[in-house]
Amino acid sequence: GESVGLHLPTLSVQEGDNSIINCAYSNSASDYFIWYKQESGKGPQFIIDIRSNMDKRQGQRVTVLLNKTVKHLSLQIAATQPGDSAVYFCADNSGGGADGLTFGKGTHLIIQP
Amino acid sequence: DTEVTQTPKHLVMGMTNKKSLKCEQHMGHRAMYWYKQKAKKPPELMFVYSYEKLSINESVPSRFSPECPNSSLLNLHLHALQPEDSALYLCASSRAAGTGVIYEQYFGPGTRLTVT
Repeated sequence: GESVGLHLPTLSVQEGDNSIINCAYSNSASDYFIWYKQESGKGPQFIIDIRSNMDKRQGQRVTVLLNKTVKHLSLQIAATQPGDSAVYFCADNSGGGADGLTFGKGTHLIIQP
Repeated sequence: DTEVTQTPKHLVMGMTNKKSLKCEQHMGHRAMYWYKQKAKKPPELMFVYSYEKLSINESVPSRFSPECPNSSLLNLHLHALQPEDSALYLCASSRAAGTGVIYEQYFGPGTRLTVT
């Protein structure tokens, strides 16, 4: 079965609001988590990552939160812009061996004007 | 520069053809990966190369044959593919793999493959 999954397939937010995309994982051995943004016709673009020894990490307009107790990961995007429209994937290293990533199903983020 | 390039962008091939996909990175990364992505699905790992050696083959059929000629290049040789192999093939690279520390992977734009 799939180790990494997302709660919602589609998320619609107003431009300027904050977006929160959630992800659950099942493998307790996962110790690395990463978020990607994929626009139509393009490859996944690295956003931010976090290791299991941290519970929060911030980047430019993005924050990743990790709750190991409930095996939950979230990506927060501040002041969402039209260019943030894309499919967002979480991934982890639950597959084992040589650091290949296991991806969740993806959330399609839609920005309303 | 975090660029991974892939050629060709699009490829249409028949089931009896032999073709190759190419991937290149100049970031000094020592790990390279092939993923397959079907429409509206997440990428799925196929192969991992670490220091030019194949370290992971995720039970991929032998009609897909990877090759890593040097640390900057990764090829995927295709032969006798099936229509269900039509997908976006993504290459990625990272600083290293299998060292006990995992690093972020950077993806190329992919090759859109159609098997007729």
